[in-house]
Amino acid sequence: DAMVIQNPRYQVTQFGKPVTLSCSQTLNHNVMYWYQQKSSQAPKLLFHYYDKDFNNEADTPDNFQSRRPNTSFCFLDIRSPGLGDAAMYLCATSRGPGGSEQYFGPGTRLTVT
Amino acid sequence: GENVEQHPSTLSVQEGDSAVIKCTYSDSASNYFPWYKQELGKRPQLIIDIRSNVGEKKDQRIAVTLNKTAKHFSLHITETQPEDSAVYFCAASKHSSASKIIFGSGTRLSIRP
Repeated sequence: DAMVIQNPRYQVTQFGKPVTLSCSQTLNHNVMYWYQQKSSQAPKLLFHYYDKDFNNEADTPDNFQSRRPNTSFCFLDIRSPGLGDAAMYLCATSRGPGGSEQYFGPGTRLTVT
Repeated sequence: GENVEQHPSTLSVQEGDSAVIKCTYSDSASNYFPWYKQELGKRPQLIIDIRSNVGEKKDQRIAVTLNKTAKHFSLHITETQPEDSAVYFCAASKHSSASKIIFGSGTRLSIRP
């Protein structure tokens, strides 16, 4: 049973063309995270929501934004994708912040042409 | 802030032998230490975790040890099998409203037949 769902699984966009990735969860978890993962590297946290409270990482580019309209859904918007933004984007959820298991979605692989 | 170092970056062991991956953390307030396994092209999945009130935890062929004084923790896999081949990430976090999981850089484990 899918618990953290990401759509689409593969996304191709053109350089500079805005793109939105989506994540939904059936776990009713309070916290939702967006990570960027490049090959063979650890997931890099971009931002997270604790309920409606948005927490941005200091080194997340302004090009990346997020929306969480309700508990179940969270979106990652990349306003002007560059070639360096090609990566796997992972959504994760947890019951609480810190000290809680994170459940990852299958990821969206973004290609920028 | 918290920093997690993980060694080795790559590890190759003979099938049936044991594998050990080591991590150190910098923030003495960290109290939750999960280990994630990520197979090629798949999502990270939690395989075992330990909290700071215990020194060791075991689940079948997988065990984790924690030394709070030295601020290091290790993953032990015994009787390795081909399906153990993956990238393993250690992580550390603390239970607070602003906390997040800090990942190590990952270990690529290969099991030789």
